[in-house]
Amino acid sequence: GENVEQHPSTLSVQEGDSAVIKCTYSDSASNYFPWYKQELGKRPQLIIDIRSNVGEKKDQRIAVTLNKTAKHFSLHITETQPEDSAVYFCAAARSNDYKLSFGAGTTVTVRA
Amino acid sequence: NAGVMQNPRHLVRRRGQEARLRCSPMKGHSHVYWYRQLPEEGLKFMVYLQKENIIDESGMPKERFSAEFPKEGPSILRIQQVVRGDSAAYFCASSPQGDEQYFGPGTRLTVT
Repeated sequence: GENVEQHPSTLSVQEGDSAVIKCTYSDSASNYFPWYKQELGKRPQLIIDIRSNVGEKKDQRIAVTLNKTAKHFSLHITETQPEDSAVYFCAAARSNDYKLSFGAGTTVTVRA
Repeated sequence: NAGVMQNPRHLVRRRGQEARLRCSPMKGHSHVYWYRQLPEEGLKFMVYLQKENIIDESGMPKERFSAEFPKEGPSILRIQQVVRGDSAAYFCASSPQGDEQYFGPGTRLTVT
């Protein structure tokens, strides 16, 4: 099965700085990579996703990059704000069933 | 368009009782996934269903756990004879095609 590793487990950044979270996956057949944000006690929220036919995708302050050869993808948050503080999860799936395999999560704290 | 609904939000059961968790997908979504989240951990896939069909139940324990998604009504995850290790947050997600999955608020099951 798919194994997704996520680093770092915790990340503290100054407001306005950038945050980068990295994930690796093991299944070369995975071709769908979403990122979820989960605030304490709340539901995971889809914030961005990327498919294996593109190398980069951007949505305002959030961007995701994918390196299929290295089986590595990353989330970049620029100009961080206090409301970006949450746990972020990466995930990977094959397009035949989209069963998501999640990383262990990164707790991001943005210091004001 | 209402989001994914789950009920109950909190459920307390004694060891040996049955737990029944319900998930109403977003309107127009025919794909339902169930995930389990243990405290301080990521989400683990349990089962994937489409209307009246179980597509993949490879993440669900063979004993005591079952799931259904009938033609009419919500998807139900049933846990029989609960044990303390079943205590977790159970999330369902729905999708129109499988890829973009939108999560419900979760049911937090506590087994005493």
